Amino acid sequence: NAGVTQTPKFRILKIGQSMTLQCAQDMNHNYMYWYRQDPGMGLKLIYYSVGAGITDKGEVPNGYNVSRSTTEDFPLRLELAAPSQTSVYFCASSPPPQNTGEAFFGQGTRLTVV
Amino acid sequence: DAKTTQPNSMESNEEEPVHLPCNHSTISGTDYIHWYRQLPSQGPEYVIHGLTSNVNNRMASLAIAEDRKSSTLILHRATLRDAAVYYCIPSNSGGSNYKLTFGKGTLLTVNP
Repeated sequence: NAGVTQTPKFRILKIGQSMTLQCAQDMNHNYMYWYRQDPGMGLKLIYYSVGAGITDKGEVPNGYNVSRSTTEDFPLRLELAAPSQTSVYFCASSPPPQNTGEAFFGQGTRLTVV
Repeated sequence: DAKTTQPNSMESNEEEPVHLPCNHSTISGTDYIHWYRQLPSQGPEYVIHGLTSNVNNRMASLAIAEDRKSSTLILHRATLRDAAVYYCIPSNSGGSNYKLTFGKGTLLTVNP
């Protein structure tokens, strides 16, 4: 059972560089999410998607972009990396709450911007 | 989005029941109540969710007040592995604006 797969697990970026965090799920979930978690803090929602072709901003979208061309994939793009984007990033997917409602999380990507 | 209020921290002894409260007085009639937890150095994991009736699963029970303005997550016998941050998350019933937004949660410490 693959569940939610995030790549890479670790990455060090230099200021101004760009990268894409990959997220894939094999559960045919409509809903997908990207969160960031700074040390000692809670999770903040960056972007979310309710289905292929549909994305929307969460609480902290600045500096990020997403796309959802397929149900399975939900990549997060960082343009012009800044030290403030040093964080652990979690991707998640879920069915509607009327079904099981259980969101599954990836193992996280630990990103450091230097 | 409905706002939640949870204690910053709670403490329990191993093998004792734990009642984790959550106030969500602005919840709407169709909002679900989700509970997730995050163990140290791990991603969040689902615990339970419900709409109106009390819910039970292998991990916990969820007691929802009749007016739905509060709920309580019940761990029947706490173990050391239950030490985590517990999040109460109201969400709408799905559709184009369905999302899970985490608050600050309650840090549960379990003493041996």
